[in-house]
Amino acid sequence: KQEVTQIPAALSVPEGENLVLNCSFTDSAIYNLQWFRQDPGKGLTSLLLIQSSQREQTSGRLNASLDKSSGRSTLYIAASQPGDSATYLCAVRRAYSGGYQKVTFGTGTKLQVIP
Amino acid sequence: NAGVMQNPRHLVRRRGQEARLRCSPMKGHSHVYWYRQLPEEGLKFMVYLQKENIIDESGMPKERFSAEFPKEGPSILRIQQVVRGDSAAYFCASSPSRGQGSPGANVLTFGAGSRLTVL
Repeated sequence: KQEVTQIPAALSVPEGENLVLNCSFTDSAIYNLQWFRQDPGKGLTSLLLIQSSQREQTSGRLNASLDKSSGRSTLYIAASQPGDSATYLCAVRRAYSGGYQKVTFGTGTKLQVIP
Repeated sequence: NAGVMQNPRHLVRRRGQEARLRCSPMKGHSHVYWYRQLPEEGLKFMVYLQKENIIDESGMPKERFSAEFPKEGPSILRIQQVVRGDSAAYFCASSPSRGQGSPGANVLTFGAGSRLTVL
């Protein structure tokens, strides 16, 4: 059974700092890994998706890396801004024969960027 | 492409009533996932469906909850005889079948959620 853990559970940083969010998973046979952000009372917004064959993906100030063998992914946020305050979730997808896919979410990291 | 559409966005029910939540996946997506999020908690998987098939319902409560994804029309999450503990945000996500389109197209896309309040 896939278990996905995110550390830390909560993080508070001053504006402008670079920061790293961690995601670890127990089953390395994944199809892809996706990072989301969720603002309070809102839905999930996709940030980055990394296929199992990729090592990293970048979008603006965000960089996500994937190390399948060790079961880890990191989300790096450069020059953090108050608008980055949200809960960040990683989701691991595994594909099975017949097209069946199972998606397991991490526990989330609640980020607060202080102006 | 309108994205994943969920309705209603907000639903208020009294204890004992039925709640029906609808999810229209993105065009071309054949996989639908339902998740529940209780206040201040994470996302909990409920059920995974493909057209006309329930693939995995291991996260669904054994009673009062059911889901379907018919050949035509949206996916429906149905909660019978609601109780206060059912109050939560219910999110639907869709994705294409594995192998459809470019690798980057296999993004799991979420709807805005349906917030159920049981009085």
